Amino acid sequence: DTAVSQTPKYLVTQMGNDKSIKCEQNLGHDTMYWYKQDSKKFLKIMFSYNNKELIINETVPNRFSPKSPDKAHLNLHINSLELGDSAVYFCASSQVRPSGYNEQFFGPGTRLTVL
Amino acid sequence: SQQGEEDPQALSIQEGENATMNCSYKTSINNLQWYRQNSGRGLVHLILIRSNEREKHSGRLRVTLDTSKKSSSLLITASRAADTASYFCATDALSRGYGNKLVFGAGTILRVKS
Repeated sequence: DTAVSQTPKYLVTQMGNDKSIKCEQNLGHDTMYWYKQDSKKFLKIMFSYNNKELIINETVPNRFSPKSPDKAHLNLHINSLELGDSAVYFCASSQVRPSGYNEQFFGPGTRLTVL
Repeated sequence: SQQGEEDPQALSIQEGENATMNCSYKTSINNLQWYRQNSGRGLVHLILIRSNEREKHSGRLRVTLDTSKKSSSLLITASRAADTASYFCATDALSRGYGNKLVFGAGTILRVKS
């Protein structure tokens, strides 16, 4: 069983298009995240949702809009795609614990290529 | 800028040797975590060390944390070809009770030759 799944795995599109990436976790976690990994492998958080509430919103262009219909899903919609949006996007989830032990579980990634 | 800086950027060793990777960070942290990423895959959590801990072991992994120097090291003993991957440290500086914000280093690419 896949713990954190993302679709699609690959996404190739033209500049200016709008696209969505979907993420689902079956771990029962209450927090989900979106990360962007660039061509140099730098991994940076974009958004975090806890129980469908936006918690972390880093300096991300407002062309990126996350949506969490329920705590098991966190989708990422991107408007007016630009060349610089080309990257691998990772979804992750974690469960908040009083102990502070909060490992994150990552999806397999979606490789977005903007032409 | 990235919170964590890792060195070396790349490491190539023979199977059976030990591999040591270092990570430095800039701000106060609650914990520091190490993740592994195989080529074309997502990240996998390896080990977490809290800010009040100095050393932690998990199987062939040993992690140290020196908060006075704001640095951590990951030691993989008796390396195997399957350990070939990128290794990232990640610092958790926020504890809002609503999940955590991990700030990742640039990663170390480890290649274990058989």
